[in-house]
Amino acid sequence: QKEVEQNSGPLSVPEGAIASLNCTYSDRGSQSFFWYRQYSGKSPELIMFIYSNGDKEDGRFTAQLNKASQYVSLLIRDSQPSDSATYLCAVSSTDSWGKLQFGAGTQVVVTP
Amino acid sequence: NAGVTQTPKFQVLKTGQSMTLQCAQDMNHNSMYWYRQDPGMGLRLIYYSASEGTTDKGEVPNGYNVSRLNKREFSLRLESAAPSQTSVYFCASTESGTSGLREQYFGPGTRLTVT
Repeated sequence: QKEVEQNSGPLSVPEGAIASLNCTYSDRGSQSFFWYRQYSGKSPELIMFIYSNGDKEDGRFTAQLNKASQYVSLLIRDSQPSDSATYLCAVSSTDSWGKLQFGAGTQVVVTP
Repeated sequence: NAGVTQTPKFQVLKTGQSMTLQCAQDMNHNSMYWYRQDPGMGLRLIYYSASEGTTDKGEVPNGYNVSRLNKREFSLRLESAAPSQTSVYFCASTESGTSGLREQYFGPGTRLTVT
């Protein structure tokens, strides 16, 4: 059973601070890694994807991938109240026909 | 460009009733997916269609059937609804069925309650 694990939270973060979210996965064949944001009652929307070891930055978001340790993380810098949402980690592999395995999500609450 | 659309948005069924959830995308994507989302369990894949004319089971296919009507449309059918199928259902699509590098785009979801 391929698994993607995330802490469910809630992760409480003061406004302006850095939120750090972690995700571990069990399938060593995993090739691509996605972070989705989901507001309550809404559908998931992509924040970032990463497929090479190291860091990838996009605005206030940084994704970090370590395939040897099988984890991927997301940093949110200068957290804003609008960042309050559930963040879903998703993992795919080359034989998956585009299928994604999702973690249960981490709820982030940014407090003013 | 509407992206991925789903109908209906809300539905209440009685146990044993049947219904079809509709999904359409206008992005010319090859692959389409049906997920269900339950509290604390993330998104679980029900069925997917890698390309027009093909469908395959995902993680939780029992109690569901699908039809890939054409490249744009992918429907999910509940033949005899059960309370365990109360959930939020999301349809998604992506550009390629052979690569894991592509983003999946999600529809707005259907909130289904089975009493």
